[in-house]
Amino acid sequence: NAGVTQTPKFQVLKTGQSMTLQCAQDMNHEYMSWYRQDPGMGLRLIHYSVGAGITDQGEVPNGYNVSRSTTEDFPLRLLSAAPSQTSVYFCASSYGIRDREVFFGSGTQLSVL
Amino acid sequence: AQKITQTQPGMFVQEKEAVTLDCTYDTSDPSYGLFWYKQPSSGEMIFLIYQGSYDQQNATEGRYSLNFQKARKSANLVISASQLGDSAMYFCAMREVMDSSYKLIFGSGTRLLVRP
Repeated sequence: NAGVTQTPKFQVLKTGQSMTLQCAQDMNHEYMSWYRQDPGMGLRLIHYSVGAGITDQGEVPNGYNVSRSTTEDFPLRLLSAAPSQTSVYFCASSYGIRDREVFFGSGTQLSVL
Repeated sequence: AQKITQTQPGMFVQEKEAVTLDCTYDTSDPSYGLFWYKQPSSGEMIFLIYQGSYDQQNATEGRYSLNFQKARKSANLVISASQLGDSAMYFCAMREVMDSSYKLIFGSGTRLLVRP
């Protein structure tokens, strides 16, 4: 099992550029989510999905877009990157909403210049 | 509003000693879950231990145990016999369930440094 796989691990963008952060899991988890981690802070929820075709906003969704066409994949899109989006991004997944474990990917460190 | 508080920004512990990392939470939901994650300098989030609000016993996972005091709304992580590899950031998180979804609410973390 690969678990939760995120790519790329590092990325540098210029302001206004777009990109997609990839997240895939091979555990047949229904629930997937994206968090961002800023210096000195814990993680904050950006978007989440409770299954293929269903997505919703978290607490910091502005500037990000998501879709969930398959159970396995949950990409995060930055349509026009801004310096305020410089952060470390984590994808997480679990089978259900009350699972005793939530699995995280290894993170993507994004810098927007 | 639900909230997680970790009051210790940094801590030191001597190798082979035990250490307690504090976490208090605030929620009005009767059903909730509490997680602890370790984040080493390499950056990944490593799941350590979970405590459900209805669990009768305190959770344990190897050298990790969770001192769950429901009335005080605290969920402190105890690491026994500290090792150099335990040096890392530690985050406490609470699961907030919302209809058919949830989010994890994280504390600001505690940086633990294990001294040889």
